[in-house]
Amino acid sequence: AQSVTQLDSQVPVFEEAPVELRCNYSSSVSVYLFWYVQYPNQGLQLLLKYLSGSTLVKGINGFEAEFNKSQTSFHLRKPSVHISDTAEYFCAVSDGSARQLTFGSGTQLTVLP
Amino acid sequence: GAGVSQSPRYKVAKRGQDVALRCDPISGHVSLFWYQQALGQGPEFLTYFQNEAQLDKSGLPSDRFFAERPEGSVSTLKIQRTQQEDSAVYLCASTLGGLNTGELFFGEGSRLTVL
Repeated sequence: AQSVTQLDSQVPVFEEAPVELRCNYSSSVSVYLFWYVQYPNQGLQLLLKYLSGSTLVKGINGFEAEFNKSQTSFHLRKPSVHISDTAEYFCAVSDGSARQLTFGSGTQLTVLP
Repeated sequence: GAGVSQSPRYKVAKRGQDVALRCDPISGHVSLFWYQQALGQGPEFLTYFQNEAQLDKSGLPSDRFFAERPEGSVSTLKIQRTQQEDSAVYLCASTLGGLNTGELFFGEGSRLTVL
């Protein structure tokens, strides 16, 4: 079985400040890792994904994440946030052979002016 | 259309009523998924189709939930004798291949409220 823990349910941050949204996972096998973003009243949109290769993954809108196998983490970072980054962010894991994507409970990022 | 389309966007049902939620995936996408998202929670897997075959329904919470995709394109999620605990947003997602290709394309969801 696989699971995802997002340690912070809410993260307020001022505009142009850096932000890190934390994600830890558990899985008995190799994993694929994802970050999705959900803007109000919209569907989930893929921000970035780790399938293999370089552990530093760059995504859309200036976000990046680093896969750390020893710490079983996949934290999301952005060096300077904008008001428009306000949204709910979900970390998700798949073991590839499963047909299920397991999501965390989400982190609400609120960017303050 | 270009994206995954779901209808209705909002549905209010009285307890005990049956409801049907429709998903129109991106044209040509082989895989289709249904998720349930309760308020303040992440999406939880319900079921998965590859073309018309329902390959995994392990996430369906009870036998009141039924999903079909008879022609391998449009899918319907049916909930019989709705209960208050069924209130949630039901998300549909599709992808061209299997899950390990990395990206699911999600619809905007159908918000079900059971009174």
